[in-house]
Amino acid sequence: EPEVTQTPSHQVTQMGQEVILRCVPISNHLYFYWYRQILGQKVEFLVSFYNNEISEKSEIFDDQFSVERPDGSNFTLKIRSTKLEDSAMYFCASGAQYFGPGTRLTVL
Amino acid sequence: SQKIEQNSEALNIQEGKTATLTCNYTNYSPAYLQWYRQDPGRGPVFLLLIRENEKEKRKERLKVTFDTTLKQSLFHITASQPADSATYLCALDIAKSGGTSYGKLTFGQGTILTVHP
Repeated sequence: EPEVTQTPSHQVTQMGQEVILRCVPISNHLYFYWYRQILGQKVEFLVSFYNNEISEKSEIFDDQFSVERPDGSNFTLKIRSTKLEDSAMYFCASGAQYFGPGTRLTVL
Repeated sequence: SQKIEQNSEALNIQEGKTATLTCNYTNYSPAYLQWYRQDPGRGPVFLLLIRENEKEKRKERLKVTFDTTLKQSLFHITASQPADSATYLCALDIAKSGGTSYGKLTFGQGTILTVHP
């Protein structure tokens, strides 16, 4: 069965540093998403991506966040200047239902 | 305001019994309602999707009902097993296929199911 992969599985960074979280979605899917889950809280929508552009974004997805599909296979989420409150699990989703295993981001 | 509530934070049952989880929502008109399983430190795993015009869906030991009048979905696991122990999430998709919000899911907080041997 096709699966979504994410790297790294765990990222530790200092506050103010830039991080890039990577995802390889399922190859024939057209819609891609990023979600996050702060420890003990709900899974929250961040952004959806279709036809090489953002189709919708949440209030959380402010100017410090960006997404890209640089090479037709990878799908990345960049956080420019990380804050303590960005610490969370970040999930990539492909199609409407296939979630990756997540990247645990820890901001110190 | 819009809310999705899964009525039990935790549910404990004996092996072999039927687990019933509830998802209620207000001020949404979902096109789809989905149920996911999430294990600790892992991503959600899709289980079942039910559309607004469907009343019931089944897959093996799983059954989902959807009542758009009551604004409620029930998720049943029959003949439960300890391996079914996990957090179960309901998620609403309010968008029609092809729209800009397609696939944007709004999740409930989850119910932690523990099946005791």
